Amino acid sequence: GAGVSQSPSNKVTEKGKDVELRCDPISGHTALYWYRQSLGQGLEFLIYFQGNSAPDKSGLPSDRFSAERTGGSVSTLTIQRTQQEDSAVYLCASSRGGGNTGELFFGEGSRLTVL
Amino acid sequence: AQRVTQPEKLLSVFKGAPVELKCNYSYSGSPELFWYVQYSRQRLQLLLRHISRESIKGFTADLNKGETSFHLKKPFAQEEDSAMYYCALGSGNFNKFYFGSGTKLNVKP
Repeated sequence: GAGVSQSPSNKVTEKGKDVELRCDPISGHTALYWYRQSLGQGLEFLIYFQGNSAPDKSGLPSDRFSAERTGGSVSTLTIQRTQQEDSAVYLCASSRGGGNTGELFFGEGSRLTVL
Repeated sequence: AQRVTQPEKLLSVFKGAPVELKCNYSYSGSPELFWYVQYSRQRLQLLLRHISRESIKGFTADLNKGETSFHLKKPFAQEEDSAMYYCALGSGNFNKFYFGSGTKLNVKP
């Protein structure tokens, strides 16, 4: 695809349910990032993948959050037992990795609303 | 600790007026700084990076290590510049980017 693709674009769920958010990065991009964008809070770093490994998981807010990446491509962010404070836009970005110029290419985001 | 601060949540200027969006950072290493922009109903995208010393859409940003700032400037704002602007700090290996809270620029006709 031409850009980073995220799905679903919108998700409304009930408190306590699990959700999965998917990110399909630009082909050939080895680095993948997840951010959370809350109103007035800017972009909060969640996790970074280089290939399939996640050397930095320090941003995950709690053990309800997990992420994986398979085949060096698609990544899934899972939120278990969702809470209302999890409501936000979850952004995925990818970059070339090695020789990286530092440009992140963002998806359109997945808007999560927890009722 | 690494941090990026954008003190203004909203900045309103008239078309043709100069604009400066402030960004301050704290970082123990050698910083790599960027400005990202999000236009209405579009995805976040890179505007410029300090290592390129480039001017994009009339915007420039100078890294001032003494003041730990990377303010974004444009001498004559246009209505199409209205957007959300984020300052970002990249760690040495680009394995983490720290973003500020963003400044919404509103250019009035």
